[in-house]
Amino acid sequence: EADIYQTPRYLVIGTGKKITLECSQTMGHDKMYWYQQDPGMELHLIHYSYGVNSTEKGDLSSESTVSRIRTEHFPLTLESARPSHTSQYLCASSEYEGRGGYNEQFFGPGTRLTVL
Amino acid sequence: GENVEQHPSTLSVQEGDSAVIKCTYSDSASNYFPWYKQELGKRPQLIIDIRSNVGEKKDQRIAVTLNKTAKHFSLHITETQPEDSAVYFCAASMGGSYIPTFGRGTSLIVHP
Repeated sequence: EADIYQTPRYLVIGTGKKITLECSQTMGHDKMYWYQQDPGMELHLIHYSYGVNSTEKGDLSSESTVSRIRTEHFPLTLESARPSHTSQYLCASSEYEGRGGYNEQFFGPGTRLTVL
Repeated sequence: GENVEQHPSTLSVQEGDSAVIKCTYSDSASNYFPWYKQELGKRPQLIIDIRSNVGEKKDQRIAVTLNKTAKHFSLHITETQPEDSAVYFCAASMGGSYIPTFGRGTSLIVHP
């Protein structure tokens, strides 16, 4: 079944550790996104990609980096985690729908990160 | 850039009542307006969307209306049920940009 997968679902780590949050989609979408969301709160776009080898920073300043080497894979890396990075991270993807460019987004289940 | 305002931030209703959530946007070039529902502990999921060439769209108990002149759009839920309790996000995007701007969300609580 076509879907978006994120691993790990939960992660508790110590300050200063390097971590990579994985996101993969089997939907065949070109566009992928990373959002940061505190529970029940607004969605903050931190990174997005239009396709392979394309990455852009979003509205929210973030110390994370992303890569897009394969269409289906969009990992997010924190070089040195801090308590302020504690949050939920949601991956999403979308596809072009005709000339209008409408773009329903499909979200992954999220990774809940806690940095001690 | 685009700016989307969403109101109210919290909405509490009795089961069977109607609920209305309103959003305004700033960029007249925006032409796609989706609504997402996020249940507690779950991922956001699209429940209904509307394009700029349509004024209203219905899907069973939910409907969305769009007023392009005033640059606002609204989500209407009739005969609310406890399972409608969730956070609802509106968004606006321009064709070709693929980067939606989200509202801050509305927490809808439906009391049995």
